[in-house]
Amino acid sequence: GQQVMQIPQYQHVQEGEDFTTYCNSSTTLSNIQWYKQRPGGHPVFLIQLVKSGEVKKQKRLTFQFGEAKKNSSLHITATQTTDVGTYFCAGPWDTGNQFYFGTGTSLTVIP
Amino acid sequence: SQTIHQWPATLVQPVGSPLSLECTVEGTSNPNLYWYRQAAGRGLQLLFYSIGIDQISSEVPQNLSASRPQDRQFILSSKKLLLSDSGFYLCAWSGTSYYEQYFGPGTRLTVT
Repeated sequence: GQQVMQIPQYQHVQEGEDFTTYCNSSTTLSNIQWYKQRPGGHPVFLIQLVKSGEVKKQKRLTFQFGEAKKNSSLHITATQTTDVGTYFCAGPWDTGNQFYFGTGTSLTVIP
Repeated sequence: SQTIHQWPATLVQPVGSPLSLECTVEGTSNPNLYWYRQAAGRGLQLLFYSIGIDQISSEVPQNLSASRPQDRQFILSSKKLLLSDSGFYLCAWSGTSYYEQYFGPGTRLTVT
């Protein structure tokens, strides 16, 4: 079964509204990475968090790594049409060389 | 700066035909290389991972194989394609194992 789940699977928001996607792993991760994939494109690396409880910001995007290093979130403030795409979390298991991408959250921003 | 190339961009192949997809990286040495497959509207599945020439790990049993004949070249192959091999194939590289990865433009494969 899926090792890294993301919710929601789809999200439609009005431009200007906030958006959050949640990532949950069945196993502790040594780090968590976030990627954005525009429709028809390839995933683009956004950020990596390594420390338990770490929070990082990139302009309107806020990323958080859970204390137990099994979950993470991405929050976008005041969405814009340029934020459209699918957001994936990903990370290697702390116990070995297994690496999983999350199931992804597809964001649609309505102008 | 580093660049990653993949070709072809799109490919339509009949069932039972062979496959060869190539990925090359420029601007870095000894990269970690990855092959992923993405089914339509789905997430990414790691197929192969390589830490060096001729050092390849397979993450899932399948109809595909990978080779790394040169430091910055990664090839995905199949002897006989199946319908289920259709998908978006992405190559990626990283400087450190399983850390931030940079993806190529991908190959959209349709097996008919």
